Amino acid sequence: DAGVIQSPRHEVTEMGQEVTLRCKPISGHDYLFWYRQTMMRGLELLIYFNNNVPIDDSGMPEDRFSAKMPNASFSTLKIQPSEPRDSAVYFCASGWARGQPQHFGDGTRLSIL
Amino acid sequence: RKEVEQDPGPFNVPEGATVAFNCTYSNSASQSFFWYRQDCRKEPKLLMSVYSSGNEDGRFTAQLNRASQYISLLIRDSKLSDSATYLCVVNSQSGATNKLIFGTGTLLAVQP
Repeated sequence: DAGVIQSPRHEVTEMGQEVTLRCKPISGHDYLFWYRQTMMRGLELLIYFNNNVPIDDSGMPEDRFSAKMPNASFSTLKIQPSEPRDSAVYFCASGWARGQPQHFGDGTRLSIL
Repeated sequence: RKEVEQDPGPFNVPEGATVAFNCTYSNSASQSFFWYRQDCRKEPKLLMSVYSSGNEDGRFTAQLNRASQYISLLIRDSKLSDSATYLCVVNSQSGATNKLIFGTGTLLAVQP
């Protein structure tokens, strides 16, 4: 079975550029989560969706960050404009029910120069 | 106070040793608990769920103490391949939101 698929795996870009991260959740999972991981702050939840609807975006750091889920099989996380402090590993995860384990994608390693 | 707290380690143990990690959580209403494992430069992966009565999976034993709000993971007969960061995870429910809160992880290094 295909797991959570993220793209790109690596992204290096200059500050000020728009960055778009993509995620395809596991088929049948109703929940999709975006996380950011850094050495300093660990794994932080940015936003999550249930049935394509954003439920909790309290972790989104600021207006430069936005996330969409136009259908059950695709989500994007966008940063515009990007800043060096956005450099981190961004994980997408999906789950099939409230409070149940989540399955993570391989992550996108983002470096903003 | 963080919602989920773990000793960051590192725990350096020889092969064959038994090692235990503890984790405390602050939300007494939490209902689901898990241990995840994360290898260097990889994604977190579910190791095991933690049930109220305690549960075992091979060399791994997880226990939950609701009264004291802590979770433990015991690894027996450590292998080199057990070297990783172990993340304690607790679900947090508040109104309509229901999300998993990850601890910052405990680093285990098993030495030959």
